Amino acid sequence: DTGVSQDPRHKITKRGQNVTFRCDPISEHNRLYWYRQTLGQGPEFLTYFQNEAQLEKSRLLSDRFSAERPKGSFSTLEIQRTEQGDSAMYLCASSLDPWAGGRFNEQFFGPGTRLTVL
Amino acid sequence: QQQVKQSPQSLIVQKGGISIINCAYENTAFDYFPWYQQFPGKGPALLIAIRPDVSEKKEGRFTISFNKSAKQFSLHIMDSQPGDSATYFCAASRLVGSYQLTFGKGTKLSVIP
Repeated sequence: DTGVSQDPRHKITKRGQNVTFRCDPISEHNRLYWYRQTLGQGPEFLTYFQNEAQLEKSRLLSDRFSAERPKGSFSTLEIQRTEQGDSAMYLCASSLDPWAGGRFNEQFFGPGTRLTVL
Repeated sequence: QQQVKQSPQSLIVQKGGISIINCAYENTAFDYFPWYQQFPGKGPALLIAIRPDVSEKKEGRFTISFNKSAKQFSLHIMDSQPGDSATYFCAASRLVGSYQLTFGKGTKLSVIP
């Protein structure tokens, strides 16, 4: 299967702990996105990378959040000093630029990591 | 500020019927409008997408209708099946500059036999 994969699928942590999630995009995709989805809501944009460069960050991404994409392949999203309000599904998506053979802004999502902060 | 408004919040349709979900957007800079389907515990899956240079796009049982002047677009699911029962999200983005998708709040569709 060459889809977007995310690890772990579920994470339960205590308030104040740090957590890190991993996303492996579709192999040839140069763009990678992170979204957050809370119950009953649509996904909300957090940040995106073009290759290894982080080009945009939402104001939802507080100082406790950091994302990296070393070497333009997989990406990690770290949340420091977790709060109960961080409980959500964290989704990763990837896309391929049209000039590289992709179709417009066609983003493919992974299964998500569900975070529960106790 | 909710830039993409979606309705209805939930929808019950008989098998074989037509499901219609509507979205309205505010940002006139948006020029890409996809629809995503999400099953419980799964990530959203791209269903169909449209750009504002066409007023309608059809793929199988799924059709997007787009009204640029009204800043509205809708998803029609023809011959709805129980397997279509899922949450549907409309979204919008720009194709130049920011690529972030702005999603509606979703419509939970239940297709009953």
